[in-house]
Amino acid sequence: QSVLTQPPSVSAAPGQKVTISCSGSSSNIGNNYVSWYQQLPGTAPKLLIYDNNNRPSGIPDRFSGSKSGTSATLGITGLQTGDEADYYCGTWDNSLTAVMFGGGTKVTVL
Amino acid sequence: EVQLVESGGNLVQPGGSLRLSCAASGFTFSTYWMSWVRQAPGKGLEWVAGINPDGSDKYYVDSVKGRFTISRDNAKSSLYLQMNSLRAEDTAVYYCARTLRHWPFDYWGQGTLVTVSS
Repeated sequence: QSVLTQPPSVSAAPGQKVTISCSGSSSNIGNNYVSWYQQLPGTAPKLLIYDNNNRPSGIPDRFSGSKSGTSATLGITGLQTGDEADYYCGTWDNSLTAVMFGGGTKVTVL
Repeated sequence: EVQLVESGGNLVQPGGSLRLSCAASGFTFSTYWMSWVRQAPGKGLEWVAGINPDGSDKYYVDSVKGRFTISRDNAKSSLYLQMNSLRAEDTAVYYCARTLRHWPFDYWGQGTLVTVSS
C-alpha cells in the first residue's frame, strides 16, 4: 500500500485529455513539492514535472501539473499513442524522512 | 550530455552482499545530491537512499536501514550502494538518479538488475 494514492489506470482516445490524481497527506504532498515521471515500457523513468507545475526543458506543454492541499494532478492533453506508459507521482515525506512514490497509473490510448 | 551508468548487479543468495556502482559524467558530480531508486519486477518505483554532495548527509527508506549504505567518491564521479543481508524482496532493477532540490530526479541511469535467490 503506497503512501501516495494513484488510480491504477486511465484511458482516452487520441487527441483527448486525461488527468491522473495523486492523493497524499499533510506529511507529504501537503507540505512538499510534487514531481511526476513517465516510464515507457522497458525504459528508465523520465522527469515530466517538478516543483508541482514546472516542466524540464524538452517536455512539451501538453503535460501539466498542479497541486491543491494534499492532492496533486498530472494532465495530458492532445493524447498520443506515444503517451502510453506508466506515470508516477513522487514527493518527500516529512514523517518518514524519505521520498515516496505513488503506485503508478497506466495510461492507455484507445 | 549527462550520463549515469550503473553496474554491479548480479544473482546473489539470500543473506549475501553486493556493491552497486554508478559512473557519472557530463555534469559537476560533486555539486549534486544523488539517489538510488529501485523497481521490483512488474512493480512500481521505490526510492532507496539519497546522499548530499559531500557525502555527510544520507537518507534511507525504512526497509533498507541498517542493511544498505549509500556513498560517493567525488574524485571519481561515482556513486555506490553497498547492500548487505540481502533478501528476496530486494530483487529489483536499481537505478542511479541525479537529485535536485525538493527531490525531483532529473536524470536516470539505465538500471542494473539485482536478483536475490537461492
